[in-house]
Amino acid sequence: GNSVTQMEGPVTLSEEAFLTINCTYTATGYPSLFWYVQYPGEGLQLLLKATKADDKGSNKGFEATYRKETTSFHLEKGSVQVSDSAVYFCALDHGGATNKLIFGTGTLLAVQP
Amino acid sequence: GAVVSQHPSRVICKSGTSVKIECRSLDFQATTMFWYRQFPKKSLMLMATSNEGSKATYEQGVEKDKFLINHASLTLSTLTVTSAHPEDSSFYICSARARVSGASYEQYFGPGTRLTVT
Repeated sequence: GNSVTQMEGPVTLSEEAFLTINCTYTATGYPSLFWYVQYPGEGLQLLLKATKADDKGSNKGFEATYRKETTSFHLEKGSVQVSDSAVYFCALDHGGATNKLIFGTGTLLAVQP
Repeated sequence: GAVVSQHPSRVICKSGTSVKIECRSLDFQATTMFWYRQFPKKSLMLMATSNEGSKATYEQGVEKDKFLINHASLTLSTLTVTSAHPEDSSFYICSARARVSGASYEQYFGPGTRLTVT
């Protein structure tokens, strides 16, 4: 079945450090891929997405490239800020009638000043 | 735009009682809403898909008689945890599906409800 695997946290970085959070997926066909962010005490927000191979999603300095050959969608940011501290979820949507999302386990990012 | 609210944000109930959680799309209509359960340090687990005007579709292993879902209107879905037990304590999150363009949809998430059963 479809699944998403992402690196376990917590990830602790100093401000302005480079961030990578790995995400790989298992799916047949061509799912859409997403990164969601959950700030403390809030619901999930869509951070970025990519709908086909080689697409790059980007938002707020974060980027992720849909790599079909490695079935990966790693999240990167060149210079993190304290305000980026949150839980990040990788997810896939295999489409169909209801667009159900399958989530990874989430990665807690803590950025220290 | 595309705001989803949940009420209550926190609820504490006694074992054996029932609790209702509301999910509302505030500025759009949603024919489909989803209910998730999030365990500590674990992912969101999809419980069911709520369809306006019809029965919910439950994921495998989710007890439909325990977790009653009613999608009474295009802006409201409710989840009722019946005869709650301590193991039902969790963070429940809803999302609403909205069309963004053509055949492209996106899910917008509520802030979640923390249920504690004592």
